[in-house]
Amino acid sequence: DAGITQSPRHKVTETGTPVTLRCHQTENHRYMYWYRQDPGHGLRLIHYSYGVKDTDKGEVSDGYSVSRSKTEDFLLTLESATSSQTSVYFCAIRQRGIYEQYFGPGTRLTVT
Amino acid sequence: DAKTTQPNSMESNEEEPVHLPCNHSTISGTDYIHWYRQLPSQGPEYVIHGLTSNVNNRMASLAIAEDRKSSTLILHRATLRDAAVYYCILRSSGGGADGLTFGKGTHLIIQP
Repeated sequence: DAGITQSPRHKVTETGTPVTLRCHQTENHRYMYWYRQDPGHGLRLIHYSYGVKDTDKGEVSDGYSVSRSKTEDFLLTLESATSSQTSVYFCAIRQRGIYEQYFGPGTRLTVT
Repeated sequence: DAKTTQPNSMESNEEEPVHLPCNHSTISGTDYIHWYRQLPSQGPEYVIHGLTSNVNNRMASLAIAEDRKSSTLILHRATLRDAAVYYCILRSSGGGADGLTFGKGTHLIIQP
């Protein structure tokens, strides 16, 4: 299994509070991704990174920011959480020149 | 992005072959066909990918129509562990860091 961990694995927070989710990899892969998955939907891309300090927006980036100061860590921040951001968040990594993405175990976030 | 169409659900018996169809009539010449699956409460898992020729690996086989407008993922001998949502995804071979576009996939049910 690819070395990807996500923390926390579960979180309950209140509307309006900031939240940061962490994705950590031990594979030294160049590309990292954040997706969200809601009931009845496939995964949707939030943001991605193609190197340290290099990030770009995905399909559903509003309300989210990301940072990547080290190869191994990709942080997803909800500046002011809303109930619509209740979801399961998956991180993924991909090696340059390789098509397969490897996914983490997910973080279940509930915003009350 | 070119879209894919999959049946919402399929049912099969344990130890029998399973053929999961995917239609992608607007596929472009540079699009690879990827398959991922998602077991309950887990992140997606890469299964297989191909461009024009049929592909085999330890998990499955991918049969691609000659006109590339459809493909079939073949599980040669289904086990209960193969019960999952299977996603057929097109991704351009143009490289780049962009992520995957997931549809709703096919929910595969395996009967013992």
